[in-house]
Amino acid sequence: DQQVKQNSPSLSVQEGRISILNCDYTNSMFDYFLWYKKYPAEGPTFLISISSIKDKNEDGRFTVFLNKSAKHLSLHIVPSQPGDSAVYFCAASADLGTYKYIFGTGTRLKVLA
Amino acid sequence: EPEVTQTPSHQVTQMGQEVILRCVPISNHLYFYWYRQILGQKVEFLVSFYNNEISEKSEIFDDQFSVERPDGSNFTLKIRSTKLEDSAMYFCASSLGGSSYNEQFFGPGTRLTVL
Repeated sequence: DQQVKQNSPSLSVQEGRISILNCDYTNSMFDYFLWYKKYPAEGPTFLISISSIKDKNEDGRFTVFLNKSAKHLSLHIVPSQPGDSAVYFCAASADLGTYKYIFGTGTRLKVLA
Repeated sequence: EPEVTQTPSHQVTQMGQEVILRCVPISNHLYFYWYRQILGQKVEFLVSFYNNEISEKSEIFDDQFSVERPDGSNFTLKIRSTKLEDSAMYFCASSLGGSSYNEQFFGPGTRLTVL
């Protein structure tokens, strides 16, 4: 069941540059997408979300882009900071009376000072 | 800032034993969830709970698993007879509402090790 995929297990970026994390999904019923950040020994922390009626949502240094026709979303972090180093999970849900999030496998981001 | 808490942080048990993982959701939240993450794999949904009953459960959540909200604050996951493959991080989450648009807030997790 690979409804949400993050094909890059890891990414390294220089401090101050842009980090782009990608996520693909297969279920066209998904209508809400989220990014969570996870540090070791902690639970996932909500970062930013986007509804399927939008194609972009911005919050400070974080922007999520949604391309519904390609079933693709991406998270842009600019400028990247060493504290952004974590595992980033993409998650999706469908408002069909189901409450669960379907998570991707995660991308480990390392921001180099 | 309100947060979801979980106890214990690490639980070691023998195969076949019962374990209870505890969670205190955010106080005004109404929907509660358990997820798990086997080492190196993705976070997987186990069960959602609302109004004192299970709303949805995954195929992982078989008869060995049960959930309960024994009082106004705690939300527990019980595994009746643990198996080696139950070793994982178990995350509790809660949300204010039950639609897609209500973000779920996660606790720090309980690492369950079954020997």
